[in-house]
Amino acid sequence: GEDVEQSLFLSVREGDSSVINCTYTDSSSTYLYWYKQEPGAGLQLLTYIFSNMDMKQDQRLTVLLNKKDKHLSLRIADTQTGDSAIYFCAESMRSSYKLIFGSGTRLLVRP
Amino acid sequence: GAVVSQHPSWVICKSGTSVKIECRSLDFQATTMFWYRQFPKQSLMLMATSNEGSKATYEQGVEKDKFLINHASLTLSTLTVTSAHPEDSSFYICSASGWQREAPYEQYFGPGTRLTVT
Repeated sequence: GEDVEQSLFLSVREGDSSVINCTYTDSSSTYLYWYKQEPGAGLQLLTYIFSNMDMKQDQRLTVLLNKKDKHLSLRIADTQTGDSAIYFCAESMRSSYKLIFGSGTRLLVRP
Repeated sequence: GAVVSQHPSWVICKSGTSVKIECRSLDFQATTMFWYRQFPKQSLMLMATSNEGSKATYEQGVEKDKFLINHASLTLSTLTVTSAHPEDSSFYICSASGWQREAPYEQYFGPGTRLTVT
């Protein structure tokens, strides 16, 4: 079945690194995504990774994928207060537009 | 580019009335649009997928007659909540996908519509 899980909450100090974790169950996932949602707003795509990749870096963001353990992580370097939001991981099914979202991790950045 | 708008951003209606929410892709043609529902502090639940000119495909447990979806053009999809009840109160988010996407199967999300049924 399709199931994506995330820890619910993470609190870090400004300037530290944040690591948000996600596990998924469907091994046929082709792409995995990280979205950011600010209060009362829609979702913004931050980055994505193809399932045959191990790592992807994009400025302050680093995505690590362990396909064997079906574990995905998002590392935010030098976390800023503007990074406070809810972060969702999502997987897409093979040859499909359908996205399965995790429960979301609320990131709080303390000054 | 790839901007999706929703209207209204929030609406309050009385129980038993119907409410229509619009989702528009402003600068691209959306071949596929999605409607999600999000409860407070929870994830997005996909309600239905619609392709332009076709009937929507509803997820299991979503009532087709309750949530009417129309995708009549490549830039507009509407969700009508019929005979709304307080339990329909939620945050409704649409997304759109088309050939302009930067990431594979990428969906561009609207800002959401908060519906409150009294």
